[in-house]
Amino acid sequence: EIVMTQSPATLSVSPGERATLSCRASQSVSSNLVWYQQKPGQAPRLLIYGASTRATGIPARFSGSGSGTEFTLTISSLQSEDFAVYYCQQHNNWPRTFGQGTKLEIK
Amino acid sequence: EVQLVESGGDLVQPGGSLRLSCAAFGFTFNSYAMSWVRQAPGKGLEWVSAISGSGGRTYYADSVKGRFTISRDNFKNTLYLQMNSLRAEDTAVYYCAKDSISSSSGFDFWGQGTLVTVSS
Repeated sequence: EIVMTQSPATLSVSPGERATLSCRASQSVSSNLVWYQQKPGQAPRLLIYGASTRATGIPARFSGSGSGTEFTLTISSLQSEDFAVYYCQQHNNWPRTFGQGTKLEIK
Repeated sequence: EVQLVESGGDLVQPGGSLRLSCAAFGFTFNSYAMSWVRQAPGKGLEWVSAISGSGGRTYYADSVKGRFTISRDNFKNTLYLQMNSLRAEDTAVYYCAKDSISSSSGFDFWGQGTLVTVSS
C-alpha cells in the first residue's frame, strides 16, 4: 500500500500569514492527490482534487501543487476559519490511503 | 441537495457484528462509487472500503478484509457496511462518502458519521 506522510504534524501560523503544508507519497500517485479540511466534530470537507483543482465553493486562497510523490497545500492569507486539521489522500491506487494529518493552529 | 445519512452505530462486544447503513439523497446514486471512512477517537482518517456504482467491484483496507463487507441497494439508494468479528481497534466514527466527478477526484460529500464502540 502507498504510505502518505504529512509534515509538519502541527503548524502554528498567525492570521493573515501564509501556511504551507506538505504531503509525500511512498510511490508515485501521479496527480491523483486530494486535500481535505476537518474541523472538530465535523466531517471532512474536500478542498483540492487532482493535486491542484479547487473543489466547488473553495476560496481562491487555497491552492495545491505537486505531482508524483511531493505535494503542497498553500493557504495564502489565513482566516480564522482556516484553523483546522488538513489531510491528504491518494486516489491513484487501492487502498485509498490518507496522510496522518497536519493540525493548523493559531500562533 | 446532496445528503448522506448514516445509521446503525452502537456499542457492541468484541467478536460481535453490526451493520451500518447510509441513506443517500439528492443525486443519481447508482452513478457514483461510494466509500466508508473511519476515524478512531482523537485519531486521523482511515479509508475502510469502497464499492463501484453498479456494486460489481469492491475494495477493502487490509485491516478489515475478510471481516467487513460493503454492499449497496441502488433501488433503495442505500449503502451498507456489514462488520463481523469486531475488535476494540474498530472503535471509530464511521463516515460514508460519495466519489466526486471520478474515482480519482476525492470524496465531495460526506455523512455526519455514526459511532461504533467495540467494548465488553
